[in-house]
Amino acid sequence: EIVLTQSPATLSLSPGEWATLSCRASQSVDRYLAWYQQKPGQAPRLLIYDASNRATGIPARFSGSGSGTDFTLTISSLEPEDFAVYYCQQRRDWPLGFGGGTNVESK
Amino acid sequence: QVQLVQSGAEVTKPGASVKVSCEASGYTFTNYVIHWVRQAPGQRPEWMGWINADNGNTMYAQKFQARITITRDTFARTAYMELSSLRSEDTAVYYCSRDYHIVTARSQGSGDYFHHWGQGTLITVSS
Repeated sequence: EIVLTQSPATLSLSPGEWATLSCRASQSVDRYLAWYQQKPGQAPRLLIYDASNRATGIPARFSGSGSGTDFTLTISSLEPEDFAVYYCQQRRDWPLGFGGGTNVESK
Repeated sequence: QVQLVQSGAEVTKPGASVKVSCEASGYTFTNYVIHWVRQAPGQRPEWMGWINADNGNTMYAQKFQARITITRDTFARTAYMELSSLRSEDTAVYYCSRDYHIVTARSQGSGDYFHHWGQGTLITVSS
């Protein structure tokens, strides 16, 4: 089973700042990695798929990069609505799995 | 617009079974896979399995293989997830989610990202 480890666990930032979130896989997932945003009481929202493709309707301030075992989600110029928990997810192998999440909180 | 509407919250006892429904609208039901994902309080989401709404093929996570059944009714545009032999650790919000890619893209290696989501169904297992 592929294990995804996200860091940091918590990121304290102010609106307008850049956020850089990391996801590391225990073995290569090629580029088969997605990023999700989740707010309290809501379902996750797909942001990025296949490492760097923005899902339909996702703002350009969200970007993804990486391949193999190391991936990054960057949020340029945080908006107030971007404070949430972010998860990565791999589809390279069964079972599909998620990382433990990064909480982006307002400083 | 795409909508997935799930059945309501349930409280059930250890050893019982639960069946959650997910009614889809706003797209051609048989063009997509429906996934089931659960999330225990304060935990990461956990993928449970999927059903191809076109041909009814299923894939389950090995963890749930022995006690999960996912079905669909194409006329009702509804997918169902039944989980048996419930225990307290199964207390979670259960979500259905439509795949990002159309089923025909799966033969080319695409798929298995969770795009549209239901509102979630809280299942509480307690004696």
